[in-house]
Amino acid sequence: ETGVTQTPRHLVMGMTNKKSLKCEQHLGHNAMYWYKQSAKKPLELMFVYNFKEQTENNSVPSRFSPECPNSSHLFLHLHTLQPEDSALYLCASSQDLEGVNTGELFFGEGSRLTVL
Amino acid sequence: GQNIDQPTEMTATEGAIVQINCTYQTSGFNGLFWYQQHAGEAPTFLSYNVLDGLEEKGRFSSFLSRSKGYSYLLLKELQMKDSASYLCASMDSNYQLIWGAGTKLIIKP
Repeated sequence: ETGVTQTPRHLVMGMTNKKSLKCEQHLGHNAMYWYKQSAKKPLELMFVYNFKEQTENNSVPSRFSPECPNSSHLFLHLHTLQPEDSALYLCASSQDLEGVNTGELFFGEGSRLTVL
Repeated sequence: GQNIDQPTEMTATEGAIVQINCTYQTSGFNGLFWYQQHAGEAPTFLSYNVLDGLEEKGRFSSFLSRSKGYSYLLLKELQMKDSASYLCASMDSNYQLIWGAGTKLIIKP
């Protein structure tokens, strides 16, 4: 138990569906992140939020839309995805952005997404 | 460009020692991280090195040579539960983590 909870753990969707991934952290952290993890590839940083404000958007296609209503919750809204978007989507949090310096990145167990 | 290299897969025997190497090329350097990820689970932090040398933490040790752009994770007295992927990540001058693809470690009895 890392203190970061992601739902759903598994999601299968068609290319025309709209779905959302949810992340909640119980650690009192101020920074939250979305990562994409594909088999045998490095983790790809997608979005960063610090104190609910988006500070990073690493050229992610607009079919992925993040939302951070407060410092404890992070969503990733999905629409008109492509089969190549199938991957494990990991949420992470840290005390603050500078906290990443000390390695204090806490990950959730991920949402395994399959796009048909 | 920025790049992290680590072996894709390694196999070792229970009770033995294994060394997982990582070489990095990043724009600036603010530390080298190792994470462990069991199949279907969250990555968890193992170690952080920012100065040259060896950091020991129980059965796990991590080494850094900044001049060589090189790190390794040393696992001693291997146990079956050490079967996992080990992720190497370097932090660049913008405090961005650059990740390797991970090394899948298989432990055999």
